[in-house]
Amino acid sequence: KAGVTQTPRYLIKTRGQQVTLSCSPISGHRSVSWYQQTPGQGLQFLFEYFSETQRNKGNFPGRFSGRQFSNSRSEMNVSTLELGDSALYLCASSLGGTGNTIYFGEGSWLTVV
Amino acid sequence: GIQVEQSPPDLILQEGANSTLRCNFSDSVNNLQWFHQNPWGQLINLFYIPSGTKQNGRLSATTVATERYSLLYISSSQTTDSGVYFCAVDGAGANSKLTFGKGITLSVRP
Repeated sequence: KAGVTQTPRYLIKTRGQQVTLSCSPISGHRSVSWYQQTPGQGLQFLFEYFSETQRNKGNFPGRFSGRQFSNSRSEMNVSTLELGDSALYLCASSLGGTGNTIYFGEGSWLTVV
Repeated sequence: GIQVEQSPPDLILQEGANSTLRCNFSDSVNNLQWFHQNPWGQLINLFYIPSGTKQNGRLSATTVATERYSLLYISSSQTTDSGVYFCAVDGAGANSKLTFGKGITLSVRP
């Protein structure tokens, strides 16, 4: 059974640009969530999608957005990139019910220069 | 929101030693998971343990939900156990929204 797949793994962008990251969840999982990891702030929840609807949202500016498709694949977008957006972006999937185990992908390393 | 505290922040062990990592949380949880973050950044599931005790090889975990803490035990540590260990919880009604502790950095020396 394939795990959570994230693409691209590594990318470098310039300030002001935008970026789109992709996540394919484990087959059968309907919940996809995104996290940002930085040395200063640690692991922070961005948002969660379940059956194409945003169900939870963290405390990030509107430049961070996401969506989920009917096949449960998800994308997150960051517009008008800032240096502080440099981070490891982790995607996770689960069945989506209360108390389900959550599985993470390998992450996408974003560097903003 | 729910708070998660992990201790100690750093731990240095000699290979073969045992260790206990602690996670305290501030409210009732539906989900508690322990992860090991590998050098490439991936969070590897160790345990899903909102309550009770589980064992997997040299690792075991216990969560006492009524007292709001969880412990991860590593026995006969190996150099490959090095890395950062995270505890993460999903508060009541949070549905797949994990709050992470700051992590415990474990270094196992040969």
